[in-house]
Amino acid sequence: DADVTQTPRNRITKTGKRIMLECSQTKGHDRMYWYRQDPGLGLRLIYYSFDVKDINKGEISDGYSVSRQAQAKFSLSLESAIPNQTALYFCATSDWGGANEQFFGPGTRLTVL
Amino acid sequence: TQLLEQSPQFLSIQEGENLTVYCNSSSVFSSLQWYRQEPGEGPVLLVTVVTGGEVKKLKRLTFQFGDARKDSSLHITAAQPGDTGLYLCAGSNTGNQFYFGTGTSLTVIP
Repeated sequence: DADVTQTPRNRITKTGKRIMLECSQTKGHDRMYWYRQDPGLGLRLIYYSFDVKDINKGEISDGYSVSRQAQAKFSLSLESAIPNQTALYFCATSDWGGANEQFFGPGTRLTVL
Repeated sequence: TQLLEQSPQFLSIQEGENLTVYCNSSSVFSSLQWYRQEPGEGPVLLVTVVTGGEVKKLKRLTFQFGDARKDSSLHITAAQPGDTGLYLCAGSNTGNQFYFGTGTSLTVIP
């Protein structure tokens, strides 16, 4: 079984709809991240969390919100989706210290019409 | 704000050729990572470099961190079709956030 899972893997929605993307991990890591990936722009950080009581904004948090329900679960919400939020979304986890290697989920492809 | 610029953006080469991918920034980073991403999957870490001038080798891949810790390069010797993928560099100042580069899409033709 994958260490970092994301649901759904694909989603098509309409402008104005509320969308939630979910991420679960079995690696026992405290740190979790949400990124979006757009062609030619690499990955950009939306939000990150270092434990269940810690939530931090990343580079591009406007239009998004997150919830850290447990150490293993970190969800990303689009309160009112818009077409320029069409992208590939990745969840990642990492442990404290060391190389800070991030382990990524398989991604969610979101299309907002 | 894009802190890390990668070049080239796209690269298509024949099997057996050598190539170098560059990752440049005007910012100083305390550590820099390289990831490879294959279609339909998330990025996977290849290496982390933390010391200016550091060189690390991973089989046919050689990674170098610039002396001023503002840039890095990835050199692949005798490229193989299995090297095909998107290569991403990512820099960090605090270890809390990583800023990803724009990516280099490599295609190795058999």
